[in-house]
Amino acid sequence: EAQVTQNPRYLITVTGKKLTVTCSQNMNHEYMSWYRQDPGLGLRQIYYSMNVEVTDKGDVPEGYKVSRKEKRNFPLILESPSPNQTSLYFCASSLSGSLFSLHFGNGTRLTVT
Amino acid sequence: AQRVTQPEKLLSVFKGAPVELKCNYSYSGSPELFWYVQYSRQRLQLLLRHISRESIKGFTADLNKGETSFHLKKPFAQEEDSAMYYCALSPSGGYQKVTFGIGTKLQVIP
Repeated sequence: EAQVTQNPRYLITVTGKKLTVTCSQNMNHEYMSWYRQDPGLGLRQIYYSMNVEVTDKGDVPEGYKVSRKEKRNFPLILESPSPNQTSLYFCASSLSGSLFSLHFGNGTRLTVT
Repeated sequence: AQRVTQPEKLLSVFKGAPVELKCNYSYSGSPELFWYVQYSRQRLQLLLRHISRESIKGFTADLNKGETSFHLKKPFAQEEDSAMYYCALSPSGGYQKVTFGIGTKLQVIP
């Protein structure tokens, strides 16, 4: 089944403890991106990647890192999480160009205490 | 900077009534506009792309460049339309930053 898979679905951690949220897609999509969803703010893009080894900042990149070493994987790294990063995170992928439309994962609910 | 505005956080309509979810955008170039929907306990999924000019589940949306709008419409609301709807914009070609609105929750009252 074609899909975007995020892990874990739920994560509770403490301030400063490094964590990684994984994202994998099996559709051979070039484009992958991360979003956070907060009440009243909608979805805001954190980082995106147009292909392997090509990443760029979205609207809210502070406090996050990403890497794209393989086409299928796009992990989100929080080196030193803080409470203001408590949020619902979505990974998405897409073909590029005229076929562009995002396919979303199920989301990861992160709580930083 | 690109921006998407959805002025209504919540829209309640009765079953069978027409629905219009508003979306206005700001972008200096040639944008691609999308509507995404999130039903309860499901992942976000694409509903419409302006470039496709298609009707999905009875919904349509027309890009009005003069008014910089991409409103989502349906003539007769159904209970299963109750969901969260997000308008989104990306530069033409979709290679870059994607900006979402804050979303509108549509509640269809039986």
